[in-house]
Amino acid sequence: AQTVTQSQPEMSVQEAETVTLSCTYDTSESDYYLFWYKQPPSRQMILVIRQEAYKQQNATENRFSVNFQKAAKSFSLKISDSQLGDAAMYFCAYSGGGADGLTFGKGTHLIIQP
Amino acid sequence: EAQVTQNPRYLITVTGKKLTVTCSQNMNHEYMSWYRQDPGLGLRQIYYSMNVEVTDKGDVPEGYKVSRKEKRNFPLILESPSPNQTSLYFCASSLSQGSNQPQHFGDGTRLSIL
Repeated sequence: AQTVTQSQPEMSVQEAETVTLSCTYDTSESDYYLFWYKQPPSRQMILVIRQEAYKQQNATENRFSVNFQKAAKSFSLKISDSQLGDAAMYFCAYSGGGADGLTFGKGTHLIIQP
Repeated sequence: EAQVTQNPRYLITVTGKKLTVTCSQNMNHEYMSWYRQDPGLGLRQIYYSMNVEVTDKGDVPEGYKVSRKEKRNFPLILESPSPNQTSLYFCASSLSQGSNQPQHFGDGTRLSIL
């Protein structure tokens, strides 16, 4: 079974600075997708960014980018120019080739200091 | 507007009283699933459905039932709720089974079982 590990239960960053959230995963599959979801206090699950395992190029969405290291099974999220609205729980998730859905990490609580 | 709708958003009930959380999507998605979110554990999949009349267990199915009689609806049934089922529940859907399909989440249902 796949596992996803987020080793940072909580992170804090000053507004306008850059922060990196860590995620590692374990899988024997070669084809899979990785996701970062944001959960603000409203509890909604918002897709931030996704990465296809077969693509070497790291995904980028505006201020959000990933550092995908397939051999190391690492998938970190970098948030540049942090804003107060970025404060949330962030979940890393894995999706493989089977019929089951997403496997989530335990989450990282991101605090933005004004 | 494309959306996944869960009802109720909040429910407080007592042990043993059967309850149903409804989930409906308007995107003609084939794949639907239920997750529960608990502090420190992330989201874990309860059940999923690949299409009408096709359902299967996820990682934590004990104490839950589901049905998929229509494509748009995927209710979660707790026949005899217990306090350990107090949690935040999410329904999600995607176009089809497959790792490249982004999942759309409902806004969550907070269940408290006394």
